[in-house]
Amino acid sequence: QKEVEQNSGPLSVPEGAIASLNCTYSDRVSQSFFWYRQYSGKSPELIMSIYSNGDKEDGRFTAQLNKASQYVSLLIRDSQPSDSATYLCAGWGLYNQGGKLIFGQGTELSVKP
Amino acid sequence: DTEVTQTPKHLVMGMTNKKSLKCEQHMGHRAMYWYKQKAKKPPELMFVYSYEKLSINESVPSRFSPECPNSSLLNLHLHALQPEDSALYLCASSQAIPAANTEAFFGQGTRLTVV
Repeated sequence: QKEVEQNSGPLSVPEGAIASLNCTYSDRVSQSFFWYRQYSGKSPELIMSIYSNGDKEDGRFTAQLNKASQYVSLLIRDSQPSDSATYLCAGWGLYNQGGKLIFGQGTELSVKP
Repeated sequence: DTEVTQTPKHLVMGMTNKKSLKCEQHMGHRAMYWYKQKAKKPPELMFVYSYEKLSINESVPSRFSPECPNSSLLNLHLHALQPEDSALYLCASSQAIPAANTEAFFGQGTRLTVV
């Protein structure tokens, strides 16, 4: 099992819909997670961090962490075309992966007007 | 301020050239990272510096040579690269490693093309 697994998509949603992005992780990853947004040709931009079980909301974005299921998700409400990007989840590695920020494969989101 | 600055933004170099990529942060972060990213792939870790010392080298070929002159600066020296080394090179920084709840911030990247 990879340390962080993410559905690669692509995911297409209509404007105004909720986009749901998901990752699972192994025991070799610390249970704090980060969501990065990456526009085509640009660098990753940190948009959400979550450290505790449950939900964390920031504007139209909600991150959810379920440590028992080793599952982390990002919900984007009222999706806009400007949300079209690749979303990467990431966590810090443990043990022989210590000191490494480990990424999922990324999910490409397309929001159709 | 969460800014990490990379220069140059774009670089075209021949296979016999020597060039350097530069990265700077003024957030007081003590861990700095080089990543390489190919199209439609996640960033791939190359090197980690912690307190100005190289702590992780992900078996990167010696044609890539990192340097950390001080806590704010990180360089990546390039020599005798191959066309397959063409990629987006990303610098990142964080407060420290190991880093359970520490956020890492990326620079805007250098788009490298080897001809």
